[in-house]
Amino acid sequence: EPEVTQTPSHQVTQMGQEVILRCVPISNHLYFYWYRQILGQKVEFLVSFYNNEISEKSEIFDDQFSVERPDGSNFTLKIRSTKLEDSAMYFCASSEWGWSQETQYFGPGTRLLVL
Amino acid sequence: AQRVTQPEKLLSVFKGAPVELKCNYSYSGSPELFWYVQYSRQRLQLLLRHISRESIKGFTADLNKGETSFHLKKPFAQEEDSAMYYCALSHSSGSRLTFGEGTQLTVNP
Repeated sequence: EPEVTQTPSHQVTQMGQEVILRCVPISNHLYFYWYRQILGQKVEFLVSFYNNEISEKSEIFDDQFSVERPDGSNFTLKIRSTKLEDSAMYFCASSEWGWSQETQYFGPGTRLLVL
Repeated sequence: AQRVTQPEKLLSVFKGAPVELKCNYSYSGSPELFWYVQYSRQRLQLLLRHISRESIKGFTADLNKGETSFHLKKPFAQEEDSAMYYCALSHSSGSRLTFGEGTQLTVNP
């Protein structure tokens, strides 16, 4: 069964550095998402992406964040200048059509630690 | 603004006992409700959604619009049900998911 994959599984970075988190959504899916979960807190929506454009974004997704589909398979989340509070588990997800009643398929996550 | 609340962070039951994981929501429109589950060292995955009205692994959930609840139930818990359970809401005008805090269910032998 196809799965969403994410790399790296863990990343440690210094405050102020740029990080790029990578995701490969399920191949026939059209909608892609990033969520994050700070340790001990809720899973929070960051952004959704469709047809090479941001479809929705949350208030968390400020100018420090960007998303891109650099090629036909990868979907990336870039954090320009990391802060301590960006330390979290970042989940990528995809869905076939982006309908509200659809299942979203999640990747295993990237654990980001900002020192 | 939409909100999902799961009042129990931890829930522990014995094998064979009934289990109910509570979920309440607030949303002004017509919500789509889901239960996602995360077993140990595995990814978040869909357990069930209200629109399907199905039973998965013996679990059911009924949307009660009057009480704004979507509680997850199973009549006889099994040890393999031990996991983190998240209630989530998707609003009708988009597909972003709003999650509850999660309930860690432990089923003891």
